[in-house]
Amino acid sequence: SYDLTQPPSVSVFPGQAASITCSADKLGDNYASWYQQKPGQSPLLVIYQDAKRPSGIPERFSGSTSGNTATLTISGTQAVDEALYYCQAWDRSAGVVFGGGTKLTVL
Amino acid sequence: QITLRESGPTLVKPTETLTLTCTFSGFSFRTTAVGVGWIRQPPGKGLEWLALVYWDNNKRYSPSLKTRVTITKDTSENQVVLTLTNVDPVDTGTYFCAHTPPTTTTAATSFHFWGPGTLVTVSS
Repeated sequence: SYDLTQPPSVSVFPGQAASITCSADKLGDNYASWYQQKPGQSPLLVIYQDAKRPSGIPERFSGSTSGNTATLTISGTQAVDEALYYCQAWDRSAGVVFGGGTKLTVL
Repeated sequence: QITLRESGPTLVKPTETLTLTCTFSGFSFRTTAVGVGWIRQPPGKGLEWLALVYWDNNKRYSPSLKTRVTITKDTSENQVVLTLTNVDPVDTGTYFCAHTPPTTTTAATSFHFWGPGTLVTVSS
């Protein structure tokens, strides 16, 4: 199996930068995507192909990849950014894989 | 504007077969490399990918569910159907369908538009 590892939780003060990581073997050979999910809502794509931002996603959301770790960074975190965040990648054997999710708390 | 909507039963008995339909608009399977996938989420838990079908009828399945899951598309009706056989209470959850746009490689697969999801409960 192909596992994407995320921290269960991340906390940040309003206005500060929040970083959420996603690690897996050979993740650097694939593209990472990131989804935001708020209670009772469908996931929302916020980053795809490591660092691209879909139309309508605020510029404070950015993505990067280094080695086998992808990172979602939210600059100037706002209360509205409090949500669950999932990373996702593609593995040749496993297909689409999601990380376990990270709960972002804005203190 | 791309929209997707899931439909199907809300309650299924153990050992029965679950059939869900995703009806979409704003894109077509006549577009090269477009795809539709199914993802589920047990109550209070994370996302689990189930299956994906592409414009050319190429299909991919989650290895852990491939013996129980089938995905089919109806290009003329703009629909994708998911069947899950021999359901169990652990299959309870919200089932989402989602659009994946054309990419140059499957390694870049991501889901750009999602339906609202449909909650399925497996119980006798």
